[in-house]
Amino acid sequence: IAGITQAPTSQILAAGRRMTLRCTQDMRHNAMYWYRQDLGLGLRLIHYSNTAGTTGKGEVPDGYSVSRANTDDFPLTLASAVPSQTSVYFCASSDSENNEQFFGPGTRLTVL
Amino acid sequence: GQNIDQPTEMTATEGAIVQINCTYQTSGFNGLFWYQQHAGEAPTFLSYNVLDGLEEKGRFSSFLSRSKGYSYLLLKELQMKDSASYLCAVRDSNYQLIWGAGTKLIIKP
Repeated sequence: IAGITQAPTSQILAAGRRMTLRCTQDMRHNAMYWYRQDLGLGLRLIHYSNTAGTTGKGEVPDGYSVSRANTDDFPLTLASAVPSQTSVYFCASSDSENNEQFFGPGTRLTVL
Repeated sequence: GQNIDQPTEMTATEGAIVQINCTYQTSGFNGLFWYQQHAGEAPTFLSYNVLDGLEEKGRFSSFLSRSKGYSYLLLKELQMKDSASYLCAVRDSNYQLIWGAGTKLIIKP
């Protein structure tokens, strides 16, 4: 692994289903983030984690949950998907909240 | 509220110079970032400004005026590969990044 990986690359999901988007980084970065990117809007922060064992809510946390059991992994779960959660999801990490963020390749999620 | 404004789209000619502007109104300021994002790909870091003035990095330069809530990204000697979206982001008082919607730059031969 080099950098940040996300899985799956894309997914079509029926409304009401549960889905977990995976994110793994091998840079030993303390901070990790989940964003969604929608056409015509800037990246919007869903949840973040400044260090393993802690998480926080971003701008649009409703309908999503995260966990940070270790430094490398930061999964994002949609408990019951809705069509408005159709988006491209990016995971990012940084070695501290002060520094630049490095992004994973993204997951394109469609909820029908 | 917090707001980052950038033009939606710009067009420039290969070999020319283009300036992409960004104005911001945020709760606090702890630095401004520029990222490049090619279509279908992840954003990649270009530059960071925290003090007023110009930061130069090869063909790319970024300028900041904190008193005016204003930044620009200057791209020189444009190449076709510079066709991408350019995202402006401000780190607020909570150390979270607030993102603009991005400027799509189209380079014509």
